[in-house]
Amino acid sequence: DAKTTQPTSMDCAEGRAANLPCNHSTISGNEYVYWYRQIHSQGPQYIIHGLKNNETNEMASLIITEDRKSSTLILPHATLRDTAVYYCISSRRAGNEKLTFGTGTRLTIIP
Amino acid sequence: GAVVSQHPSWVICKSGTSVKIECRSLDFQATTMFWYRQFPKQSLMLMATSNEGSKATYEQGVEKDKFLINHASLTLSTLTVTSAHPEDSSFYICSARILVAGSTDTQYFGPGTRLTVL
Repeated sequence: DAKTTQPTSMDCAEGRAANLPCNHSTISGNEYVYWYRQIHSQGPQYIIHGLKNNETNEMASLIITEDRKSSTLILPHATLRDTAVYYCISSRRAGNEKLTFGTGTRLTIIP
Repeated sequence: GAVVSQHPSWVICKSGTSVKIECRSLDFQATTMFWYRQFPKQSLMLMATSNEGSKATYEQGVEKDKFLINHASLTLSTLTVTSAHPEDSSFYICSARILVAGSTDTQYFGPGTRLTVL
């Protein structure tokens, strides 16, 4: 799996959009970008994934650059419950492969 | 949909005893389940991959005789920590593969089990 790099921590004001970047410059053509988050003392929660095209679901949007070397997870209207560690992971088939969790980005939503 | 449960949510045991943790996929069948471990202030580390009806595949450095995994059905996998010692105290998290043809192939995680060995 390609290595990903993320900022260690970020703050975002409640109600604003939270934009979490991820670099995956060595990602291969058949690897997806997956995003999970882990709220304190809970199991990780799947957020979204994509290959080339931008994706949106009820939780977030995923913007992938054209060269696929980086992506941004967008939480459109952050709430206090979005405070968590966010992990960006690249994988060919996340369901059938080990997921390598890095250190992630600790996002703190400020009231 | 896609709910994974774990039982118990926490357990305290004495050193030398064995502890069994259950992982269930509640509304889908999971041919593959995974077991991770997370120590305080660290990230998740995969311990083993469990496929229904076959032996688990353990990551390097994980003792298969100490961490027994059974995946006897498409909705249940168990992890037994045998002869637990204080260094086994950790947060154990399972995940289950969910596969929707043409759209999703990912892992959904359980809420975790906190094991404390005295």
